[in-house]
Amino acid sequence: DAGVIQSPRHEVTEMGQEVTLRCKPISGHNSLFWYRQTMMRGLELLIYFNNNVPIDDSGMPEDRFSAKMPNASFSTLKIQPSEPRDSAVYFCASRSGLDEQYFGPGTRLTVT
Amino acid sequence: AQSVTQPDIHITVSEGASLELRCNYSYGATPYLFWYVQSPGQGLQLLLKYFSGDTLVQGIKGFEAEFKRSQSSFNLRKPSVHWSDAAEYFCAVGSYGQNFVFGPGTRLSVLP
Repeated sequence: DAGVIQSPRHEVTEMGQEVTLRCKPISGHNSLFWYRQTMMRGLELLIYFNNNVPIDDSGMPEDRFSAKMPNASFSTLKIQPSEPRDSAVYFCASRSGLDEQYFGPGTRLTVT
Repeated sequence: AQSVTQPDIHITVSEGASLELRCNYSYGATPYLFWYVQSPGQGLQLLLKYFSGDTLVQGIKGFEAEFKRSQSSFNLRKPSVHWSDAAEYFCAVGSYGQNFVFGPGTRLSVLP
C-alpha cells in the first residue's frame, strides 16, 4: 500500500486566496483525521471522520475552514479566505477500527 | 477530561547513553497507548503501541515502553541512543471508536 497520500506537499499562496488540501487515506481505513502542526501550538486535531461522516469538528479554527469526505478514498480541507496565521504543516491520518493512526507526509502551507 | 502530558519539552543525551521519555495520561476508559516519532520535515511514524497484555512492549528501532496503570504512565525507553534518534516524540492515548489525544511532544537532541 502507498500509505496516506497528501497533495500538494508544499503550497505558497497570498492572503485572501482559497487553499484546498487533499488526502487519500489508506484503502480499507474507515476513519480519517486532519491535523495542523505549528511551533507555537504543536499538533492540533482539526476534524475527524468515521465512515465518511464528520464526528468531531470542534478543532476547526473558524468558519474559514471546511472539510469534506465525499467518499471513502478522498477528503479535502479548504481554507477560504486564507490568512498568514494559517501557515502551518497540515497532516492527514487514517485508521482502521482500533488500529493506530497512519500519517501522511503533510502539506506545508505558507500564506504571505 | 482526557489529556496526555509529556513533562520534558526538550531532552539532550549523548550518543550511546540510555534514554527515558516520560508520558502521563488522564483517560476515563481503558486506554490504548501509542508512541510516535517525527523526524524533521517528516510525518509521524508509529514506534510502538499497547492495547492489553504484557505491560512491557517492544517497538521498532530498539525502543520499548512500559505501561504502569497505577501511575498512569507509559514511558518510552531505549538503552543506547543513536544520533539518528534525534527527533520529536509524541505520546498518544485513545480507545475504540474514540479519537487519539496527543501529548505536546518531547524534542530529543543527541550529542556526538
